[in-house]
This record gives sequence, C-alpha cells and structure tokens, in this order.
Amino acid sequence: AQSVSQHNHHVILSEAASLELGCNYSYGGTVNLFWYVQYPGQHLQLLLKYFSGDPLVKGIKGFEAEFIKSKFSFNLRKPSVQWSDTAEYFCAVRDNTDKLIFGTGTRLQVFP
Amino acid sequence: EAGVVQSPRYKIIEKKQPVAFWCNPISGHNTLYWYLQNLGQGPELLIRYENEEAVDDSQLPKDRFSAERLKGVDSTLKIQPAELGDSAVYLCASGDRAANTEAFFGQGTRLTVV
Repeated sequence: AQSVSQHNHHVILSEAASLELGCNYSYGGTVNLFWYVQYPGQHLQLLLKYFSGDPLVKGIKGFEAEFIKSKFSFNLRKPSVQWSDTAEYFCAVRDNTDKLIFGTGTRLQVFP
Repeated sequence: EAGVVQSPRYKIIEKKQPVAFWCNPISGHNTLYWYLQNLGQGPELLIRYENEEAVDDSQLPKDRFSAERLKGVDSTLKIQPAELGDSAVYLCASGDRAANTEAFFGQGTRLTVV
C-alpha cells in the first residue's frame, strides 16, 4: 500500500528564516502531489499541487515545492517565513486510482 | 461558489449512542471523501465515493460505521454505537475527477465521545 512520510514533525523558526519540509512517498506509478495547510481553527486549504510538467511548482504565499521523481520526494520550501505561516502542513499523494493519502503532518511555529 | 459544507461543526455524545454527520459537496463534484483526523495526525481515509458508488471503503470499520451517498450528492456518515476512541475530527472533501481537480475540504465535525 502506498504511504506518505513527513520527517519533520515539529519545526520552530524565527521570522525571515528559510523553510524546507520533507515529504517522501512510496507509490511507484504516476502520482499527483499536493501540499495542504491548516491554519489554527481553519479547514485544510491547498498550498500547491503537481500533476505534470515543470517539477518546480509555485503555490500561494510564496511557497514552492520540487518533485524529484528519482527520490520519490516532494519537498516544500519558502525562502523567508512569516509569523502568519504558523500552521500545520500536510503532504498528500493521489495515485492513478484516485486514492488520496496524507502524511502525518508537520507543525510549523514561527516566532517574531 | 459555496465550498464543502459539513454539519454539525461540533458534537458531544455519550458512548454507545449513535451519531451522524452530514456533508454537502461542491456542486458538480462527483468524488466525495470522508476522512478521520486525530489530534496531531494527518487525515486518514475512511471511504471514497464516485457519484453514489463507494469505490474504496477498505478503511471503514464496518461493524460500527456506515455511510451513504444517495443520488450522488449529499452524504452522511454514521457511527453506531460510538466509542470513546471515536473522538476525532471527521472531514469531508470533494473533487471533480474528470477535471482532475484537487480535493476541497469542509470545516469538519469535531466529535467528542464522553
């Protein structure tokens, strides 16, 4: 069965620091890849997605992610985080049967 | 356009009681998902519908959980009887498979079993 691994469970940064959150998946076939964000008290929202084409995708709020097929990875990055980026971040993978699986999430805390 | 609507937002029940959650997906979305999210964890798939057909219910504990999506639009998820360990947030999401969209999530229903 496919799985999604997020290695960083809790990340604490100061404002303006750079961010990289790891995501690896196990499925070997064609996949769609997603990063969702959940701000405190809010519902899951899409940050960015990769379906095909350029493996470097840009999302909202200055986030980007790079799909590296050979490493089964889809890491999320942001050059300079803000206090408002404090949230929980989830990586998700959808296989060719439309099954959508999530990682366990990374809690990001940004301090001013 | 309205998003995915779930109700109720919060529910507190005693163990062994039944409970039901309702979801109205985005209009035109044929795919509907129910997920369970425990505190500090990622969403775990319970069941997925394509129109009115449950195409993946392998993770649904069928001894106490049931779901339906009559007419391929709204869906309900039921637990009977509820156990203490069922306390969690129940999320509904919908998507348009033909248009290859992402899944759009509702606000969720926070269930507390006491």
